[in-house]
Amino acid sequence: QSALTQPASVSGSPGQSITISCTGTSSDVGGYNYVSWYQQHPGKAPKLMIYDVTTRPSGVSNRFSGSKSGNTASLTISGLQAEDEADYYCSSYTNRVFGGGTKLTVL
Amino acid sequence: EVQLMESGGGLVQPGGSLRLSCAASGFTVSSNYMNWVRQAPGKGLEWVAVIYSEGNTYYADSVKGRFTVSRDNSKNTLYLQMNSLRAEDTAVYYCASGMVFDYWGQGSLVTVSS
Repeated sequence: QSALTQPASVSGSPGQSITISCTGTSSDVGGYNYVSWYQQHPGKAPKLMIYDVTTRPSGVSNRFSGSKSGNTASLTISGLQAEDEADYYCSSYTNRVFGGGTKLTVL
Repeated sequence: EVQLMESGGGLVQPGGSLRLSCAASGFTVSSNYMNWVRQAPGKGLEWVAVIYSEGNTYYADSVKGRFTVSRDNSKNTLYLQMNSLRAEDTAVYYCASGMVFDYWGQGSLVTVSS
């Protein structure tokens, strides 16, 4: 299975909003509402932030939100904070494929 | 509180074998999908294997025939037996629970090098 496509990097200033895209095909992202997002700080394990496209697990800030249009899913982080600086990965867990990852820099 | 703790990583020569363990607490391994996911140095996440609650197992093409996922219900522990290891298997290996990888261990580094 081919990896999902994410931008290599995005950046934003504190307080701003950013969006990370995740593009797949009709066989994964576009065909099912089974997209998840993970946050990974350097040297740490990934942490689930969003699943089923839009659902936040208990304890995850409501500044994180997910959406989908066609074959592209998106993660939006509003009110950007320094602690949000990390790598972010999307996944289509119908076929257990991950995106290549996006490095978020908080300026 | 759910906790996953990997162990068993280390340095191994090409062609060698290694077995990783993932001890779980706060939930029952046999009642959940349990996955292995790896991350090569400086690279992204790659799903490796899964064992379903009913015992079915599935593998990424890159490890099929060389890796085996299993569990010991009495020890509430997940395993990954890795044979015929290659340099490209060098990575941090994580165990992760559920269909959506909701809980992750801290990872165990496997280095394949002569």
